[in-house]
Amino acid sequence: DAMVIQNPRYQVTQFGKPVTLSCSQTLNHNVMYWYQQKSSQAPKLLFHYYDKDFNNEADTPDNFQSRRPNTSFCFLDIRSPGLGDAAMYLCATSRDRWGEQFFGPGTRLTVL
Amino acid sequence: QQQVKQSPQSLIVQKGGISIINCAYENTAFDYFPWYQQFPGKGPALLIAIRPDVSEKKEGRFTISFNKSAKQFSLHIMDSQPGDSATYFCAARASGTYKYIFGTGTRLKVLA
Repeated sequence: DAMVIQNPRYQVTQFGKPVTLSCSQTLNHNVMYWYQQKSSQAPKLLFHYYDKDFNNEADTPDNFQSRRPNTSFCFLDIRSPGLGDAAMYLCATSRDRWGEQFFGPGTRLTVL
Repeated sequence: QQQVKQSPQSLIVQKGGISIINCAYENTAFDYFPWYQQFPGKGPALLIAIRPDVSEKKEGRFTISFNKSAKQFSLHIMDSQPGDSATYFCAARASGTYKYIFGTGTRLKVLA
């Protein structure tokens, strides 16, 4: 089945220790998104790629970076995680701007 | 500032009853209004969506009502079932962008 896969599902890191979250898709969609969702809150868009074009949200902290080495994969790098970065990180894809967004199951990040 | 206000925050409905969740927006530059259903530990999944040139859309037990002049839209779940218990997010897509503004979510519990 075509889908959006996120690894790992649960990630524990230490304060200040860099961490990378992974997303892959078999949908061959052009657009990939990263959202941060804190407990009982709405998903918040961090950035997105249209193909190789990277678009950063104005209020996304510099601590968050992203890479998209090819159509199928996208990575979220948190350079120095703080306690406030503990959240669910959701990856989503869409065929294009008009298409439905398909979300992965998320990676729950814990910062100790 | 672009915002989508969602109410209620939580909702308890008896099995077979009607669940109603409301959203209101301020910015008129939105062109697509989806509703997402999210189960614990899972990513949001598109439930139903509407464009602003339509006043109502029905898919099975789920109906979106859209009032363009009032800048409001709502989700109605008819014959609510315990399996519908989840968090529901409304969203609005900013015209000409990939960006979705999410409501704060409604936690629905349907009692058996």
